[in-house]
Formats: sequence, structure tokens, C-alpha cells
Amino acid sequence: QQPVQSPQAVILREGEDAVINCSSSKALYSVHWYRQKHGEAPVFLMILLKGGEQKGHEKISASFNEKKQQSSLYLTASQLSYSGTYFCGTEPTDSWGKLQFGAGTQVVVTP
Amino acid sequence: SQTIHQWPATLVQPVGSPLSLECTVEGTSNPNLYWYRQAAGRGLQLLFYSVGIGQISSEVPQNLSASRPQDRQFILSSKKLLLSDSGFYLCAWKYGESDTEAFFGQGTRLTVV
Repeated sequence: QQPVQSPQAVILREGEDAVINCSSSKALYSVHWYRQKHGEAPVFLMILLKGGEQKGHEKISASFNEKKQQSSLYLTASQLSYSGTYFCGTEPTDSWGKLQFGAGTQVVVTP
Repeated sequence: SQTIHQWPATLVQPVGSPLSLECTVEGTSNPNLYWYRQAAGRGLQLLFYSVGIGQISSEVPQNLSASRPQDRQFILSSKKLLLSDSGFYLCAWKYGESDTEAFFGQGTRLTVV
């Protein structure tokens, strides 16, 4: 089962905040967040682990609720460079090695 | 340092023709390997993943297949392409541990005509 992301798209002005949500029906080892610019490969932003550890981007924050298998990515004081499609990826505990991604959230930051 | 190579970058193939996309990783051993497909404006669909040589997990039943003939080589194949096989194909690798990120190749844009 792929993780479910919301919203599908969001339009922001520079400096505004946004939250992207990701939920899974399975127990998870980790949640990954990536950003993809048009026509390019996804780039790693952050990984959140079972147990509370986080690794990744300094300017973008995220949370992971293990009990609910939910994660949120917080875009704070957005910059033009934040534009792109954001994907959450999940590694379930019952399928070692499997990394599935949600449908993505398109973020457009305008001046 | 580790690098991932994926080729070709673009490919135009007629319906019914075969397909072979290759992905190789350098600078690491026993990586997990992945093939994803991305239709225009859509999400990343996991097609196949492999946690070791000869171990292939298929996620989507279709006319594609994958093989891992060597530790750091992952091949995506089809005997006869369909129009619906068009898309952006991405190979990725990561270490087996769950606290490690995935690294993506630059992708192959396949157009079936």
C-alpha cells in the first residue's frame, strides 16, 4: 500500500508556511521526504525514524507519529527555491527493503 | 563516493519492441536497488526492488521484468512495449539499513509510439 499524501497541491507566497501530510496503513521503520524539480531526479530532504531520530535538511522540519503512522513536513517561511513536488516515502516493518512513495504534493511558491 | 548511472536518458520506441534499461551503482556493495516509474504529472510508482543478487520483488503485475545479474547492476526489461509503458523511469539505491536515504539516477524518459 502506497502512503497517502495531502494536499495534492499548494500555492504559497514567499514567506508563507505550509504543511504536507503523509499517512500509511502499515507500521513503519521510517518515513523519507524528497523534493523533485520538473524533469529531474528526486532529492533527499529528511528521514524520520522509528524511535524519534531525524536526519536531514536544516531548514525544513518534519514530524513522525509512529502510533498513527503519520508524518508531516513543515515548510516555514517559504522561499522560491521550495517550489517543486514533494514526495513522502515509507519503509514498512513487514517488508524489509521496500520503499514506496506517495502521489506527491506540488508546491508553487510565488514572489 | 557512491554514484549511480542510469542510461539512456531518453528513448523513443515503437509499440511491440523490446526494452532494456540499465542501472549501475559504484562505490558501495550489496545495495538495495529500485525501479520506479513516473507517469506525466504523477507520483513515483514502485515497480521492482531487490535486496540482493537474484532477489527481485515485483510490485505491479505488468509486461515488465527486472533482473540483477551482478551486485550493483539492475536491469529493467520488456519483451513487447505497450503505449502505457511510456513514462519517466528512475533507478535508485540505498543501504539496507532503514535509517539511510535513497539516491536516484537521472532517469530515462521513455516514449512508446
